[in-house]
Amino acid sequence: EDKVVQSPLSLVVHEGDTVTLNCSYEVTNFRSLLWYKQEKKAPTFLFMLTSSGIEKKSGRLSSILDKKELFSILNITATQTGDSAVYLCAVAHSLDSNYQLIWGAGTKLIIKP
Amino acid sequence: KAGVTQTPRYLIKTRGQQVTLSCSPISGHRSVSWYQQTPGQGLQFLFEYFSETQRNKGNFPGRFSGRQFSNSRSEMNVSTLELGDSALYLCASSLGGTSRTYEQYFGPGTRLTVT
Repeated sequence: EDKVVQSPLSLVVHEGDTVTLNCSYEVTNFRSLLWYKQEKKAPTFLFMLTSSGIEKKSGRLSSILDKKELFSILNITATQTGDSAVYLCAVAHSLDSNYQLIWGAGTKLIIKP
Repeated sequence: KAGVTQTPRYLIKTRGQQVTLSCSPISGHRSVSWYQQTPGQGLQFLFEYFSETQRNKGNFPGRFSGRQFSNSRSEMNVSTLELGDSALYLCASSLGGTSRTYEQYFGPGTRLTVT
């Protein structure tokens, strides 16, 4: 069965700390892995990773994919209270001639001032 | 460019009733996906529509149905509501087609409460 597992499920750190969130997957016909940030309402897109070993970076956030070991990590450096959110990982895989996203349960990140 | 819009934003219904939710995707996006999100279950995929056809379907009972119109707007219907249907219903749009762009852009959601 195709699945996406995120860890940890929740994490509490202090402002300024660096955090690493994990997303591992077992899917057939992998296409891409996506990271989203969800605060109070709708998830917002962060990164899409398709190739192994190529880091995507946006400000203090960065992410990398390992297609051999079937996982991705999302790093946040110098965390701020505004980084508090649920971080969702999704994997796009081919289904017949289409694709489908499989979502992880998310990591709830709380940044304490 | 305007984002994904969903109406209504909040709904309160009683058990046994039916409800219709609406989603307007980003202009130019032809794929619309629907999700149910609850605290215990996370983001659960309902179905995806592309060019007025249901392309993918999750594991939800037949009480959940949808459709897409020629302008890519989509509606989701839930009949014979149950208490367990209380959730945030999110709609997401993407380009779809052969663009191989898997990024989905989410609307603000409709919060449905069933009493």
